[in-house]
Amino acid sequence: ELKVEQNPLFLSMQEGKNYTIYCNYSTTSDRLYWYRQDPGKSLESLFVLLSNGAVKQEGRLMASLDTKARLSTLHITAAVHDLSATYFCAVATFLHLIFGTGTLLAVQP
Amino acid sequence: DVKVTQSSRYLVKRTGEKVFLECVQDMDHENMFWYRQDPGLGLRLIYFSYDVKMKEKGDIPEGYSVSREKKERFSLILESASTNQTSMYLCATHPGGSYEQYFGPGTRLTVT
Repeated sequence: ELKVEQNPLFLSMQEGKNYTIYCNYSTTSDRLYWYRQDPGKSLESLFVLLSNGAVKQEGRLMASLDTKARLSTLHITAAVHDLSATYFCAVATFLHLIFGTGTLLAVQP
Repeated sequence: DVKVTQSSRYLVKRTGEKVFLECVQDMDHENMFWYRQDPGLGLRLIYFSYDVKMKEKGDIPEGYSVSREKKERFSLILESASTNQTSMYLCATHPGGSYEQYFGPGTRLTVT
């Protein structure tokens, strides 16, 4: 059974600081996704990572995938308040996605 | 743009009522999914469908059923609502392959 673990579950950080969210998964998969969810809203796709060593960047967010270690990271550079949200990773099985529990990110001024 | 709509944003029902949550997509995607989202538990898959009239159980199907009579429409049914089904329900679609899933706005269901 595929399990997906994210940590930390909650992250409070100051504006301008850097931090990393980790996503570990238990069995082989060839696709990993990162989503963002704002309070009371639905999920918005951020990144799709398809191969070992894949790295994608959008603004202050950078995601990477190490399929050998079964680890993906979401790195936040010089955080700003607008990045406050819940971030989910999701790992693909043959038919559907398994989601992590999410990381609630709060960026303080 | 993919559009996924859900029939209600907020719904309040009484224990024992039959509840229908409807999801409609306009992009001809084969695969559709129903999740529930609870604090600290992330998203959990209830049911999914990869074709019309086809359905597969997800991780937590108990107390739920689904219907997919047309490709664009996937309904989640709570046969007899209970308070432990109070949750946020999210519908998603997927075109297959390595693309991401596209989510609807969600229905916040409260069962009293």
